[in-house]
Amino acid sequence: DAGITQSPRHKVTETGTPVTLRCHQTENHRYMYWYRQDPGHGLRLIHYSYGVKDTDKGEVSDGYSVSRSKTEDFLLTLESATSSQTSVYFCAISELTAAYEQYFGPGTRLTVT
Amino acid sequence: QQPVQSPQAVILREGEDAVINCSSSKALYSVHWYRQKHGEAPVFLMILLKGGEQKGHDKISASFNEKKQQSSLYLTASQLSYSGTYFCGTESSDAGGTSYGKLTFGQGTILTVHP
Repeated sequence: DAGITQSPRHKVTETGTPVTLRCHQTENHRYMYWYRQDPGHGLRLIHYSYGVKDTDKGEVSDGYSVSRSKTEDFLLTLESATSSQTSVYFCAISELTAAYEQYFGPGTRLTVT
Repeated sequence: QQPVQSPQAVILREGEDAVINCSSSKALYSVHWYRQKHGEAPVFLMILLKGGEQKGHDKISASFNEKKQQSSLYLTASQLSYSGTYFCGTESSDAGGTSYGKLTFGQGTILTVHP
């Protein structure tokens, strides 16, 4: 299994509170991704990183920001959590071989009340 | 735009075969297949690249028809362990350069295998 951890694994927070989720990898992979998974929507890309300090938006980036100051860590921040951001968040890592096969972390279940 | 998977759900007995389809409205560079069990992370199965190749992995194989922008996942002689939700993820070739692996996932196909 790829060495990917996510913290916290579960979190309950109140509307309007800032929240930061952490993804940590020990594989030294260049590419990292944040997805959210909601029933009926599959996995949707929030933000991704193609190197240290290099990030870009995915399809559902509104209300989220990211930072990557080290190869191994990719942080996802909800500046002011809303109930619509209740979801399961997955981090994934990739290294370009023939294509970007992605390996997922265990996920964080976030509930915004 | 999200690729469309069909069927949405399929129920099998052990030993039966299944086909899961993934169709996109965009020109594709690659198609990725993942399996996810309830409460767990998606697990990578295989990638198919532009070029119409077919891949196999044990009794699970897949094909990619880039002209039709479609991929199919074939599960033969299904086992109980095959149960889960299968997702295709597509990488567009419209990027005009590298897409850095940005995937758009289908809504998933729930596969249930009974003894």
